[in-house]
Amino acid sequence: GAVVSQHPSWVICKSGTSVKIECRSLDFQATTMFWYRQFPKQSLMLMATSNEGSKATYEQGVEKDKFLINHASLTLSTLTVTSAHPEDSSFYICSAREGARSYNEQFFGPGTRLTVL
Amino acid sequence: GQSLEQPSEVTAVEGAIVQINCTYQTSGFYGLSWYQQHDGGAPTFLSYNALDGLEETGRFSSFLSRSDSYGYLLLQELQMKDSASYFCAVRDGAGTALIFGKGTTLSVSS
Repeated sequence: GAVVSQHPSWVICKSGTSVKIECRSLDFQATTMFWYRQFPKQSLMLMATSNEGSKATYEQGVEKDKFLINHASLTLSTLTVTSAHPEDSSFYICSAREGARSYNEQFFGPGTRLTVL
Repeated sequence: GQSLEQPSEVTAVEGAIVQINCTYQTSGFYGLSWYQQHDGGAPTFLSYNALDGLEETGRFSSFLSRSDSYGYLLLQELQMKDSASYFCAVRDGAGTALIFGKGTTLSVSS
């Protein structure tokens, strides 16, 4: 149990386009989802926390108008990178928490590798 | 805020034992977790310590000392497949996101 999927697993796009990444909890209801970004050979940096049905909370330095997060249901959160530029090329990873049952555990998706040309 | 310190690289040979240390500073503390990440993959959960002491899971063990804000991951009987990055992570609030250290790259050679 506790499987999180992401789609797509990789995407290449042209500079200036927008890219949507989906994160789904397959066998549990995720009240909270987290989005991370990881540059090569670096750590996972938290971008934002999203709770189902409410606005996402962004970490300092993350542009909320550039990285649009929607958590419309208990099993789906989306991250849209708007007007992507080469510096947005990164590995984007989502994770999900299942309410109170696994309060201390986060389940990670397989990640989405974004390359902006 | 939070900060975590861990060594950037560790090398070892197959069959050896390696300890990866992690010191942390957090405003609150809700446990220390360890994750493994292979190149190009997602992080996978290894262990979690909420209380002081040693937790053992097969070849991997994790230790926590809350008074010292310190923990370590112990990997025994190293195998080539253990070559990966290892991250310690903390949560400073109930239900909040994990914050990761910079990671330790472990290279296991034969």
